[in-house]
Amino acid sequence: AQSVTQLDSHVSVSEGTPVLLRCNYSSSYSPSLFWYVQHPNKGLQLLLKYTSAATLVKGINGFEAEFKKSETSFHLTKPSAHMSDAAEYFCVVSDPDYGQNFVFGPGTRLSVLP
Amino acid sequence: KAGVTQTPRYLIKTRGQQVTLSCSPISGHRSVSWYQQTPGQGLQFLFEYFSETQRNKGNFPGRFSGRQFSNSRSEMNVSTLELGDSALYLCASMTGLAGNEQFFGPGTRLTVL
Repeated sequence: AQSVTQLDSHVSVSEGTPVLLRCNYSSSYSPSLFWYVQHPNKGLQLLLKYTSAATLVKGINGFEAEFKKSETSFHLTKPSAHMSDAAEYFCVVSDPDYGQNFVFGPGTRLSVLP
Repeated sequence: KAGVTQTPRYLIKTRGQQVTLSCSPISGHRSVSWYQQTPGQGLQFLFEYFSETQRNKGNFPGRFSGRQFSNSRSEMNVSTLELGDSALYLCASMTGLAGNEQFFGPGTRLTVL
Protein backbone atom coordinates (compact mmCIF):
# COMPACT_ATOMS: atom_id res chain seq x y z
CA ALA A 1 0.00 0.00 0.00
CA GLN A 2 1.00 3.56 -0.54
CA SER A 3 1.93 5.81 2.37
CA VAL A 4 3.53 9.19 2.94
CA THR A 5 5.53 10.34 5.95
CA GLN A 6 6.24 13.98 6.58
CA LEU A 7 8.95 13.94 9.16
CA ASP A 8 8.19 17.28 10.77
CA SER A 9 4.74 18.42 11.83
CA HIS A 10 6.00 21.99 12.30
CA VAL A 11 9.00 23.84 10.87
CA SER A 12 9.94 27.35 11.87
CA VAL A 13 12.45 29.45 9.92
CA SER A 14 13.48 33.09 9.79
CA GLU A 15 12.65 35.19 6.76
CA GLY A 16 15.44 34.98 4.19
CA THR A 17 16.77 31.62 5.41
CA PRO A 18 16.44 28.28 3.56
CA VAL A 19 13.41 26.03 3.90
CA LEU A 20 13.54 22.23 4.01
CA LEU A 21 10.35 20.19 4.36
CA ARG A 22 10.93 16.45 4.41
CA CYS A 23 8.84 13.75 2.80
CA ASN A 24 9.31 10.01 2.51
CA TYR A 25 6.95 7.72 0.66
CA SER A 26 6.17 4.08 0.18
CA SER A 27 4.88 3.06 -3.22
CA SER A 28 5.54 1.07 -6.33
CA TYR A 29 8.36 1.48 -8.79
CA SER A 30 7.09 4.60 -10.53
CA PRO A 31 4.78 6.76 -8.48
CA SER A 32 3.79 10.32 -9.17
CA LEU A 33 4.65 12.72 -6.36
CA PHE A 34 3.27 16.15 -5.59
CA TRP A 35 3.61 18.97 -3.11
CA TYR A 36 0.57 21.07 -2.31
CA VAL A 37 0.29 24.17 -0.15
CA GLN A 38 -2.73 25.29 1.86
CA HIS A 39 -2.97 28.79 3.22
CA PRO A 40 -5.40 29.39 6.12
CA ASN A 41 -9.02 29.00 5.08
CA LYS A 42 -8.05 28.35 1.48
CA GLY A 43 -8.10 25.33 -0.82
CA LEU A 44 -4.98 23.43 -1.81
CA GLN A 45 -2.68 24.75 -4.49
CA LEU A 46 -0.20 22.65 -6.44
CA LEU A 47 3.43 23.68 -5.89
CA LEU A 48 5.11 21.08 -8.09
CA LYS A 49 4.91 17.51 -9.33
CA TYR A 50 7.22 14.66 -10.28
CA THR A 51 6.14 12.18 -12.92
CA SER A 52 9.28 10.20 -13.85
CA ALA A 53 10.96 12.91 -15.88
CA ALA A 54 13.76 15.03 -14.34
CA THR A 55 14.46 14.13 -10.74
CA LEU A 56 14.88 17.78 -9.74
CA VAL A 57 11.54 19.48 -10.11
CA LYS A 58 11.02 23.22 -10.04
CA GLY A 59 7.71 24.63 -8.90
CA ILE A 60 6.04 27.93 -8.26
CA ASN A 61 7.22 30.65 -5.87
CA GLY A 62 10.84 29.45 -5.93
CA PHE A 63 10.17 25.99 -4.48
CA GLU A 64 11.83 22.86 -5.80
CA ALA A 65 11.98 19.19 -4.85
CA GLU A 66 14.31 16.33 -5.62
CA PHE A 67 13.11 12.78 -6.20
CA LYS A 68 15.54 10.24 -4.72
CA LYS A 69 14.39 6.73 -5.48
CA SER A 70 17.09 5.03 -3.40
CA GLU A 71 15.97 6.99 -0.34
CA THR A 72 12.26 7.03 -1.27
CA SER A 73 12.29 10.73 -0.53
CA PHE A 74 10.86 13.84 -2.14
CA HIS A 75 11.99 16.74 0.04
CA LEU A 76 10.80 20.28 -0.67
CA THR A 77 13.27 23.18 -0.51
CA LYS A 78 13.40 26.91 -1.06
CA PRO A 79 16.60 28.98 -0.83
CA SER A 80 15.06 31.96 0.94
CA ALA A 81 11.83 31.98 2.93
CA HIS A 82 9.31 34.76 2.59
CA MET A 83 6.62 35.71 5.07
CA SER A 84 3.97 34.71 2.54
CA ASP A 85 5.30 31.12 2.57
CA ALA A 86 3.76 30.52 6.00
CA ALA A 87 1.19 27.79 5.37
CA GLU A 88 0.53 24.04 5.60
CA TYR A 89 2.39 21.85 3.12
CA PHE A 90 1.30 18.41 1.99
CA CYS A 91 3.33 15.75 0.24
CA VAL A 92 1.20 13.46 -1.93
CA VAL A 93 1.83 10.16 -3.71
CA SER A 94 -0.26 8.76 -6.53
CA ASP A 95 0.31 5.32 -7.94
CA PRO A 96 -1.54 3.80 -10.90
CA ASP A 97 -0.87 0.36 -9.43
CA TYR A 98 -3.23 1.36 -6.62
CA GLY A 99 -5.94 2.85 -8.78
CA GLN A 100 -4.38 6.29 -8.87
CA ASN A 101 -5.45 7.03 -5.31
CA PHE A 102 -3.92 10.23 -4.09
CA VAL A 103 -2.49 9.61 -0.62
CA PHE A 104 -1.73 12.71 1.42
CA GLY A 105 0.89 13.04 4.10
CA PRO A 106 -0.15 14.50 7.47
CA GLY A 107 1.18 17.93 6.55
CA THR A 108 3.94 20.22 7.77
CA ARG A 109 3.08 23.64 9.11
CA LEU A 110 5.69 26.19 8.08
CA SER A 111 6.09 29.30 10.20
CA VAL A 112 8.24 32.19 8.95
CA LEU A 113 9.59 34.55 11.58
CA PRO A 114 10.47 38.19 10.79
CA LYS B 1 -10.66 28.68 -17.45
CA ALA B 2 -12.85 28.63 -14.37
CA GLY B 3 -11.57 26.69 -11.40
CA VAL B 4 -13.28 24.07 -9.28
CA THR B 5 -16.35 25.45 -7.55
CA GLN B 6 -18.06 24.07 -4.48
CA THR B 7 -21.42 24.97 -3.04
CA PRO B 8 -22.37 25.85 -0.45
CA ARG B 9 -19.24 27.26 1.16
CA TYR B 10 -20.59 26.99 4.69
CA LEU B 11 -23.26 24.77 6.18
CA ILE B 12 -24.63 24.23 9.66
CA LYS B 13 -26.69 21.12 10.38
CA THR B 14 -27.85 19.21 13.43
CA ARG B 15 -27.20 15.59 14.32
CA GLY B 16 -29.35 13.12 12.44
CA GLN B 17 -29.94 15.38 9.45
CA GLN B 18 -28.55 14.72 6.01
CA VAL B 19 -26.59 17.04 3.75
CA THR B 20 -25.70 17.29 0.07
CA LEU B 21 -22.61 19.08 -1.16
CA SER B 22 -21.98 20.01 -4.76
CA CYS B 23 -18.82 20.28 -6.84
CA SER B 24 -18.36 21.56 -10.38
CA PRO B 25 -15.02 20.50 -11.88
CA ILE B 26 -12.85 22.34 -14.33
CA SER B 27 -14.25 22.12 -17.84
CA GLY B 28 -12.98 18.98 -19.57
CA HIS B 29 -12.03 17.19 -16.36
CA ARG B 30 -13.75 13.84 -15.99
CA SER B 31 -12.48 12.84 -12.55
CA VAL B 32 -13.82 14.28 -9.31
CA SER B 33 -12.50 13.26 -5.90
CA TRP B 34 -13.80 14.14 -2.45
CA TYR B 35 -11.77 14.56 0.72
CA GLN B 36 -12.56 15.21 4.35
CA GLN B 37 -10.17 17.46 6.26
CA THR B 38 -10.18 17.68 10.05
CA PRO B 39 -7.51 18.89 12.51
CA GLY B 40 -7.21 15.45 14.07
CA GLN B 41 -7.28 13.18 11.03
CA GLY B 42 -5.83 15.44 8.35
CA LEU B 43 -6.88 14.95 4.75
CA GLN B 44 -8.71 11.71 4.15
CA PHE B 45 -9.85 10.41 0.78
CA LEU B 46 -13.57 9.69 0.50
CA PHE B 47 -14.10 8.60 -3.10
CA GLU B 48 -13.37 9.35 -6.72
CA TYR B 49 -15.75 9.41 -9.65
CA PHE B 50 -14.69 9.13 -13.25
CA SER B 51 -17.17 9.33 -16.11
CA GLU B 52 -20.13 8.82 -13.75
CA THR B 53 -18.64 5.69 -12.14
CA GLN B 54 -17.07 5.37 -8.73
CA ARG B 55 -13.47 4.42 -9.49
CA ASN B 56 -11.93 4.50 -6.01
CA LYS B 57 -13.25 4.54 -2.49
CA GLY B 58 -11.72 5.35 0.89
CA ASN B 59 -12.52 3.88 4.27
CA PHE B 60 -15.64 5.76 5.23
CA PRO B 61 -18.98 4.33 6.37
CA GLY B 62 -21.88 3.92 3.99
CA ARG B 63 -23.46 7.13 5.31
CA PHE B 64 -21.09 8.89 2.92
CA SER B 65 -22.10 8.52 -0.70
CA GLY B 66 -21.63 10.34 -3.93
CA ARG B 67 -22.53 10.49 -7.55
CA GLN B 68 -21.41 12.12 -10.73
CA PHE B 69 -23.55 13.45 -13.52
CA SER B 70 -23.00 13.34 -17.27
CA ASN B 71 -21.59 16.88 -17.21
CA SER B 72 -18.99 15.70 -14.62
CA ARG B 73 -20.54 17.69 -11.81
CA SER B 74 -20.53 15.70 -8.60
CA GLU B 75 -22.52 15.60 -5.40
CA MET B 76 -21.63 14.14 -2.06
CA ASN B 77 -24.27 13.13 0.45
CA VAL B 78 -23.89 12.43 4.14
CA SER B 79 -26.88 10.89 5.89
CA THR B 80 -27.60 10.71 9.61
CA LEU B 81 -25.02 13.34 10.48
CA GLU B 82 -22.82 12.89 13.52
CA LEU B 83 -20.84 15.50 15.45
CA GLY B 84 -17.64 13.94 14.10
CA ASP B 85 -18.67 14.75 10.54
CA SER B 86 -17.86 18.41 11.17
CA ALA B 87 -15.05 19.11 8.74
CA LEU B 88 -13.88 20.90 5.65
CA TYR B 89 -14.96 18.87 2.61
CA LEU B 90 -12.74 19.39 -0.38
CA CYS B 91 -13.45 18.49 -3.96
CA ALA B 92 -10.71 18.01 -6.53
CA SER B 93 -10.90 17.56 -10.27
CA MET B 94 -8.43 16.18 -12.74
CA THR B 95 -8.37 14.92 -16.29
CA GLY B 96 -8.24 11.33 -15.07
CA LEU B 97 -5.00 10.46 -16.81
CA ALA B 98 -2.15 8.91 -14.84
CA GLY B 99 0.36 11.37 -13.46
CA ASN B 100 -1.84 14.41 -13.73
CA GLU B 101 -2.40 16.63 -10.74
CA GLN B 102 -5.61 17.38 -8.92
CA PHE B 103 -7.08 20.87 -8.79
CA PHE B 104 -8.89 21.70 -5.59
CA GLY B 105 -11.92 23.78 -4.85
CA PRO B 106 -12.17 26.11 -1.83
CA GLY B 107 -14.10 23.55 0.19
CA THR B 108 -17.38 23.39 2.08
CA ARG B 109 -17.15 23.94 5.82
CA LEU B 110 -19.73 21.69 7.48
CA THR B 111 -20.57 22.18 11.13
CA VAL B 112 -22.76 19.60 12.86
CA LEU B 113 -24.41 20.73 16.11
